[in-house]
Amino acid sequence: DAGVIQSPRHEVTEMGQEVTLRCKPISGHNSLFWYRQTMMRGLELLIYFNNNVPIDDSGMPEDRFSAKMPNASFSTLKIQPSEPRDSAVYFCASRGGPEAFFGQGTRLTVV
Amino acid sequence: GQQLNQSPQSMFIQEGEDVSMNCTSSSIFNTWLWYKQDPGEGPVLLIALYKAGELTSNGRLTAQFGITRKDSFLNISASIPSDVGIYFCAGRRTGANNLFFGTGTRLTVIP
Repeated sequence: DAGVIQSPRHEVTEMGQEVTLRCKPISGHNSLFWYRQTMMRGLELLIYFNNNVPIDDSGMPEDRFSAKMPNASFSTLKIQPSEPRDSAVYFCASRGGPEAFFGQGTRLTVV
Repeated sequence: GQQLNQSPQSMFIQEGEDVSMNCTSSSIFNTWLWYKQDPGEGPVLLIALYKAGELTSNGRLTAQFGITRKDSFLNISASIPSDVGIYFCAGRRTGANNLFFGTGTRLTVIP
């Protein structure tokens, strides 16, 4: 199994630009999670989906953040417009049983 | 969201020494997971625990699910340089889909 696949691995963008992060979960997993990791706040859950349906988006920091899961094999996290304080590593994880498996992350830098 | 209290925050040890770290929560969990994160990578699952009192080993790693269901411990025996990284505990409450993460323990092994 290829594991959870995220793209891009690195993204540098200018403040105000739209950023789209992508995730392909492990085939057969029915839960998908988006996390943000920073030095100050550690790993924060932004949103998670169960069977492609958003269950809890209380961790999404602002309306500038949105996430979609159009099908079982693809999810996006979008930031529009981006701000320097959005700079972080964004992880996607999927779960089919008790354990969650993480992608390698997207390191986002907003300048 | 809720975070687990993980300690210590960082450790500097000599190669060959044993390491202990723990995680506590104010809530009861039915699953405890321990992850390791290498620089530039996503967290990788090390050990999963599903029952109070359970003691599970994975090579030089041993983890225990506390009998109160509010804590967990990870021990690493005979540390080696490749043990360097950040170790995270994670827990899930009964009936919940998402994982709550500890703040991490940064381990440095001095050869």
